[in-house]
Amino acid sequence: DSGVTQTPKHLITATGQRVTLRCSPRSGDLSVYWYQQSLDQGLQFLIQYYNGEERAKGNILERFSAQQFPDLHSELNLSSLELGDSALYFCASSPRVGVSSPLHFGNGTRLTVT
Amino acid sequence: GENVEQHPSTLSVQEGDSAVIKCTYSDSASNYFPWYKQELGKGPQLIIDIRSNVGEKKDQRIAVTLNKTAKHFSLHITETQPEDSAVYFCAPGGQAGTALIFGKGTTLSVSS
Repeated sequence: DSGVTQTPKHLITATGQRVTLRCSPRSGDLSVYWYQQSLDQGLQFLIQYYNGEERAKGNILERFSAQQFPDLHSELNLSSLELGDSALYFCASSPRVGVSSPLHFGNGTRLTVT
Repeated sequence: GENVEQHPSTLSVQEGDSAVIKCTYSDSASNYFPWYKQELGKGPQLIIDIRSNVGEKKDQRIAVTLNKTAKHFSLHITETQPEDSAVYFCAPGGQAGTALIFGKGTTLSVSS
C-alpha cells in the first residue's frame, strides 16, 4: 500500500460532461503530481502542486484544471469531456518539490467517456 | 524537454533467465534515474533508483547501471520469476521545476 488514496476507482460519464477526481497524498508528502495513462501514450505528466502552489505543468489540456487544498489533498477537474479523455488518471505524491525523490502512486481512477 | 526511450517495448523470457531493459534519455542535466514496476490494476511502484554519482546499484535480484556519458541506464533482473511479469518504466529526472518524464514502458512476461 503506497499510502496514496484516489477516488473514485471507476467513473463512467458522457461526452461534454465534467468530472472531479480526488487524491489524498501519503501522510507527510507535500507534493502531488497528476499523470494520465492511456494505451498509446504511456504515462503523461499533467501537473504538479507543492504545498498548495502549482509548480510544474506538463501536457495538460485547457479543459483540465487542478488544485491542492490546505489539507494537501488534490482534485483534478476534467470538463467538456471527449471520447479521447478516456484513460487511467494517477495521482502520485512525494515529500519534496524536486524530482530526485521517489514518487508514491495511487491505484488510479479509470475514466470512461461514452 | 526530456526525451525518453525504452527498449525493448516487450520482452518474453523463461523463468530463471535474466532480463535487461535499457532507457535512453536526452537531458544531460538529469541526475536521478529510477525504475518503476506497474502490475495490472495498480499504480507504478518504485523498485530501484540510482543517482548520478553512482554507476551501479544492486538490490537482491535487480540492479540498475548508469552510463552518464552515453545518457542511458539499464534495469537488470536476474533469476526471473513469474511475479516479475509487469510493465516497467524508466523516469529520468532531476531538474527543479520539472516532473519525472516516463518512458513508454516495457512489458515483461516471464513464463514458467
